[in-house]
Amino acid sequence: NAGVTQTPKFQVLKTGQSMTLQCAQDMNHEYMSWYRQDPGMGLRLIHYSVGAGITDQGEVPNGYNVSRSTTEDFPLRLLSAAPSQTSVYFCASSRAGPRNQPQHFGDGTRLSIL
Amino acid sequence: AQKVTQAQTEISVVEKEDVTLDCVYETRDTTYYLFWYKQPPSGELVFLIRRNSFDEQNEISGRYSWNFQKSTSSFNFTITASQVVDSAVYFCALREGAQKLVFGQGTRLTINP
Repeated sequence: NAGVTQTPKFQVLKTGQSMTLQCAQDMNHEYMSWYRQDPGMGLRLIHYSVGAGITDQGEVPNGYNVSRSTTEDFPLRLLSAAPSQTSVYFCASSRAGPRNQPQHFGDGTRLSIL
Repeated sequence: AQKVTQAQTEISVVEKEDVTLDCVYETRDTTYYLFWYKQPPSGELVFLIRRNSFDEQNEISGRYSWNFQKSTSSFNFTITASQVVDSAVYFCALREGAQKLVFGQGTRLTINP
C-alpha cells in the first residue's frame, strides 16, 4: 500500500538547472497538489489538479509548471532553478468527494539550489 | 481571503504536562473544513483530525482533544499528559471551496523528559 510516492527524496541543483519532481499515487484520487514548506511559513500551495488534464495555480506558482496526463501522476517541473526555490516539497492527494476528505501527503523532497 | 494563524511558534513543556496548541482562522465562507496535521522529526505529514464548520462538537481521541468554537474562530488542540513522542511540528489548516488547503505557520512542540 504505497499511498503517495515522491521521488527523489533529496536533490541539489545549480542555479539555472531544470528538473522534475515526481509524484505518484495509487489510491485513484482525483485531487492532487504540490506544496512547498519553508521555515516559519507553513505549507504553501504551488499548483493543484482536480483530475487528469486539469490543473490550476495555487498561492505561489511562479517558477513551476505542472501537468496531469494520468490520474496517478502529477509531476512538478522547475524550468530554471533559483536559490529562492530551495525548500521541502510535498505532494498530496485526496478524493474529490465531500470536501472534508483529508489529504494524504508524500514523504517530501528536500531540494537545495546552489 | 482565508487565513490561519498559529501564534505559538514554539512550545516546550516537561513530560506529563498538558499543553494546548492554538489555531485561529479567518474565512468568509459559511461552510468550511478544519484540519490538524502532525509533522514528526522524520518529516512526514500525518493527518490527525478534521472538523466541519457545521459541527461544533468537541472531540476526544485518547490523550488528544480538540475544541472548535465558531464564535471565536478557533480550533484548538490539547494534548493531555504529554509524552516525548508527541514532540513534533503541528499544523492547523483550513479548506474552503475546492480541495485547496491553507496552512498555519506551525507550532513546534518539544516535550522534555
